[in-house]
Amino acid sequence: EIVLSQSPGTLSLSPGERATLSCRASQSVTGRYLAWYQQKPGQAPRLLIHGASTRATGIPDRFSGSGSGTHFTLSISRLEPEDFAVYYCQQYNTSPITFGQGTRLEI
Amino acid sequence: QVQLVESGGGVVQPGGSLRLSCEASGFNFKNFGIHWVRQIPGKGLEWVAFIRFDGSHTDYAESVKGRFTISRDNSKNILYLHMSSLRDADTAVYHCAKDQERLDEYYFDFWGQGTLVSVSS
Repeated sequence: EIVLSQSPGTLSLSPGERATLSCRASQSVTGRYLAWYQQKPGQAPRLLIHGASTRATGIPDRFSGSGSGTHFTLSISRLEPEDFAVYYCQQYNTSPITFGQGTRLEI
Repeated sequence: QVQLVESGGGVVQPGGSLRLSCEASGFNFKNFGIHWVRQIPGKGLEWVAFIRFDGSHTDYAESVKGRFTISRDNSKNILYLHMSSLRDADTAVYHCAKDQERLDEYYFDFWGQGTLVSVSS
C-alpha cells in the first residue's frame, strides 16, 4: 500500500499570501495519478486537481498542482478567505487507492 | 446540477447489518462508476468500494472484503452498500462519490454529503 504523508499538518497564513502544500508518497506514483481535494467543515470533499496538475472543472487558476514520482505539491497563489479548509491528496495509481492525512490551512 | 444523496445510516450494534443508499440525479447515472468512501469524524478518508458503470465489476478495500457488498440499480439511479458483521472500526461518515464517464479512474469529481454509521453496543 502506498502511504501518503502530507506536510505541514497545519499551515497558518493570511489572505493574499501564497500557500504551498506537500504530499510525499512511500513509493513512486507512476503516471502522475494523484488528485487533490478541498474539504470545508460540514461539507463533502471537492476535487481540485487530478493527474497531478490538471484543474478540475470550475476550479480557479490560483490553484495549481505539480510534481511526479514521490513528491507532489499543491500551490494556491493568492489565498482568498474561502480557501481556508483542509486539503487531502490521493493516489489512484496503485490498489488500494489511498489518501494523505490532510493539511489544515488556517487564517 | 449533479446530486448524490446518501441515506440509511444510523446506530447499529457490533455484528449487526445496515444498508446504505445513494440516490443520484443531474447526470447520466448508468454511464458512471460510483465509489463509497468513508471518513471517521474529524479524521481522514478511506476508500471502501467501487462498482463499474454497468455493474460488471466491483472492488473492495481489504478491511471490508467479505462483509460489505456494493450494488446498483441503473433503472432507479440508486447505489447501495450492504454492510454486515459491522465492527467499531466501521464507524464513519459514508460518502458516495462519482468516477469518470465509462472509465475506472478511481478519482472522484463529485461527492455526496454522506450518512453517519455508528457501530456501538
